[in-house]
Amino acid sequence: AQKITQTQPGMFVQEKEAVTLDCTYDTSDQSYGLFWYKQPSSGEMIFLIYQGSYDEQNATEGRYSLNFQKARKSANLVISASQLGDSAMYFCAMRGINTGKLIFGQGTTLQVKP
Amino acid sequence: DVKVTQSSRYLVKRTGEKVFLECVQDMDHENMFWYRQDPGLGLRLIYFSYDVKMKEKGDIPEGYSVSREKKERFSLILESASTNQTSMYLCASSLPPGRGASYEQYFGPGTRLTVT
Repeated sequence: AQKITQTQPGMFVQEKEAVTLDCTYDTSDQSYGLFWYKQPSSGEMIFLIYQGSYDEQNATEGRYSLNFQKARKSANLVISASQLGDSAMYFCAMRGINTGKLIFGQGTTLQVKP
Repeated sequence: DVKVTQSSRYLVKRTGEKVFLECVQDMDHENMFWYRQDPGLGLRLIYFSYDVKMKEKGDIPEGYSVSREKKERFSLILESASTNQTSMYLCASSLPPGRGASYEQYFGPGTRLTVT
């Protein structure tokens, strides 16, 4: 069975500093995809970044990068130069390549301090 | 701009009522999903659909049913609402996997349902 684990319920970071949100996963699939979503207090889920299991390069999207370590089954999100607007809940999720279903972690609440 | 809409942002119902949550997407996506979100549990999949009139159970289907009569619309039905179904309900849609790229899920704004 697939499983996603986010061990940090809450984190603080100073504005303009970088922060890493942890995500580990478990799957027996050879091919899979890893996602990060952001959920501000307004409730909508915003897609941030995607990493395919066969992608050799770590994914990057602006200030977001995904530190993918396949052997360790980890897919940590790195946010560089944190901004106040980054304060939100962040979810890591995984999808098997042949299914559209996503399995989500428990989420990490990030608060950016001015 | 892609869009997933849900019929209500907030809903209050009484125990035993039949509740309909509607979701509409305008992206011509084949896949649609219903999740519930509870603190500390993340998002859990209730039901999903790969095509019109098709449905499959997710991880927590008990107490729920779904309907997909048209490609753009996916309805979640609580046959007899109970207090333990008080939650945030999120609808999402996506293209099917296997066409390359990420094909992320696009989410609606959510419906916060309270059952009293």
